[in-house]
Amino acid sequence: QLQIQESGPGLVKPSETLSLTCTISGGPFISNNYYWAWIRQAPGKGPEWIGSLQLGVATYYNPSLRSRVTLSVDTSKNQISLRFNSVTAADTAIYYCARQVISGPIQWFDPWGQGTRVTVSS
Amino acid sequence: SVVLTQPPSVSVAPGKTALIPCGGPNIGSLSVHWYQQRPGQAPVLVVHSDRDRPSGIPERISGSNSGNTATLTISGVEAGDEADYYCQVWDSSVDQGVFGGGTKLTVL
Repeated sequence: QLQIQESGPGLVKPSETLSLTCTISGGPFISNNYYWAWIRQAPGKGPEWIGSLQLGVATYYNPSLRSRVTLSVDTSKNQISLRFNSVTAADTAIYYCARQVISGPIQWFDPWGQGTRVTVSS
Repeated sequence: SVVLTQPPSVSVAPGKTALIPCGGPNIGSLSVHWYQQRPGQAPVLVVHSDRDRPSGIPERISGSNSGNTATLTISGVEAGDEADYYCQVWDSSVDQGVFGGGTKLTVL
């Protein structure tokens, strides 16, 4: 069964860089049918798509976050990573990693990892 | 890009039918997906591609999409259905994922 596990620091200081890792196991990491995505959810808010990795082909970013976000992959470890620069309190959220299922232009997220809580505070 | 609008809350008595709308200009031309999120848990996919259910999702949960509104329908509502529900589309014109703001379903 596919397992998705996010990891990273629970607390980051304002203006610093947030780095998170997502480890995938129990299923294919590279596939023409899947991308891998990062999604976050601020307290009391709905999910916000951050970006997606089409492994070896392309990376897609939320335009509102693009200037501060970098997604990368380590295929030797079945991991994807997120770097978020110059964080502020507004970046406090649960950060989820999810498999993005591709059916042409129709794309959804399933399953999601359990998420990792990140607080931005001095 | 696409903006998806959901009512903040919907309330329904046990055994009745809950209708959770997701609005957007001409949303019927997109494929809509729905997620259930119970408190303290990650979202779970309950409907994809407007009306398809993943394995393990009961038949009393269904979806439809036409015109400017997609709808998640939960028949025979149970206490365990109390959760937040989010709609989502992929805007392929700009390669961007978009979520609605969510609807909290309360079982009276």
